[in-house]
Amino acid sequence: DQQVKQNSPSLSVQEGRISILNCDYTNSMFDYFLWYKKYPAEGPTFLISISSIKDKNEDGRFTVFLNKSAKHLSLHIVPSQPGDSAVYFCAAPRGPGGYNKLIFGAGTRLAVHP
Amino acid sequence: DAGVIQSPRHEVTEMGQEVTLRCKPISGHNSLFWYRQTMMRGLELLIYFNNNVPIDDSGMPEDRFSAKMPNASFSTLKIQPSEPRDSAVYFCASSLWVSINSPLHFGNGTRLTVT
Repeated sequence: DQQVKQNSPSLSVQEGRISILNCDYTNSMFDYFLWYKKYPAEGPTFLISISSIKDKNEDGRFTVFLNKSAKHLSLHIVPSQPGDSAVYFCAAPRGPGGYNKLIFGAGTRLAVHP
Repeated sequence: DAGVIQSPRHEVTEMGQEVTLRCKPISGHNSLFWYRQTMMRGLELLIYFNNNVPIDDSGMPEDRFSAKMPNASFSTLKIQPSEPRDSAVYFCASSLWVSINSPLHFGNGTRLTVT
């Protein structure tokens, strides 16, 4: 039962352009969402989050948008840089008892090329 | 801060052997999580502890898997006996409990290969 879905396994973007990574969820009870970034041979690192009471959260080059009616969120990276090349995971807390019992999507591999 | 420290980074063992993975969480964090990453199932939560007490082990796949946290600075995940399907990357992560502003901090993982 995939409650958090990232349907695009990979994305290739030119340096300087916008990267848009998408995530869909099925559980309308989710009230908080996170994006993690993972480089090879390293653990995931927290990137940005958004509460369901908001529809947008921005942090520098990274912006997450939430569309609750569509059960969809997206991560925008502007401008994209080669160092952004990594796997990006969308995640949501899976139930009561804390915000870190996370369900992760399958991930999207972003490649930013010069 | 050294971050979450996992050892070993790589483990290769034969089927039937016991495997022990180790984790040192970030000092001051009182929640510890064990995740596993496989191609088929992605990142999945196995078990988590709060204040050294196991809270939810519903993600542990079988009785062959066990986890302990004898103190606030150390946890182990043991597989006995190991099987080839246990091959995966095992991540340990720590955080402050029920704090939205304290996301998970992951270690660099242990890549386990069972032949």
